[in-house]
Amino acid sequence: IAGITQAPTSQILAAGRRMTLRCTQDMRHNAMYWYRQDLGLGLRLIHYSNTAGTTGKGEVPDGYSVSRANTDDFPLTLASAVPSQTSVYFCASSDQGTGEQFFGPGTRLTVL
Amino acid sequence: GQQLNQSPQSMFIQEGEDVSMNCTSSSIFNTWLWYKQDPGEGPVLLIALYKAGELTSNGRLTAQFGITRKDSFLNISASIPSDVGIYFCAGPSLGGNNRLAFGKGNQVVVIP
Repeated sequence: IAGITQAPTSQILAAGRRMTLRCTQDMRHNAMYWYRQDLGLGLRLIHYSNTAGTTGKGEVPDGYSVSRANTDDFPLTLASAVPSQTSVYFCASSDQGTGEQFFGPGTRLTVL
Repeated sequence: GQQLNQSPQSMFIQEGEDVSMNCTSSSIFNTWLWYKQDPGEGPVLLIALYKAGELTSNGRLTAQFGITRKDSFLNISASIPSDVGIYFCAGPSLGGNNRLAFGKGNQVVVIP
């Protein structure tokens, strides 16, 4: 693989269910990010991680959790999904030296 | 809070025309990034600018880092149908930690 991969591509989920969105990068970037994209609101940062073992909250962290056990993987978990979490989710990574972020293809999540 | 304003929000242009868009910030930036998002895909980095006054080209795309460091411009020359998409500007977030602030995007539609 090259770049960032996300799984699943899309998912329909019942409210109240737990869901983990997966993100893997092979660029050895230190920093990784999770965004949600909603019409009219642009990209909003959910959580980020500057390096393996550390995480931080973004603009809209409520209802989401992340972990960063290693450099390559940065899963996003919805403990109990709600309809307002219906969105397109993007994972990104960056080399801390440049600040340029590279995005995955996205996961389209629908919570009913 | 920190804001990036992109104008216009959407543009309908004839194939072959040039199109310009700009992005303004409420704070000074030392980096400007321009991304393009194709329908159903993740944002892709087009151009990165690191110095006030810098003018950088990538094929038919040209971007400039404004001398005030509070604005940037992106120009697409001789538009073609595959230029359709959403164009985002981004710069370092005041929150630091390698985070980016994003504009809400310009939707470009190219009419054949």
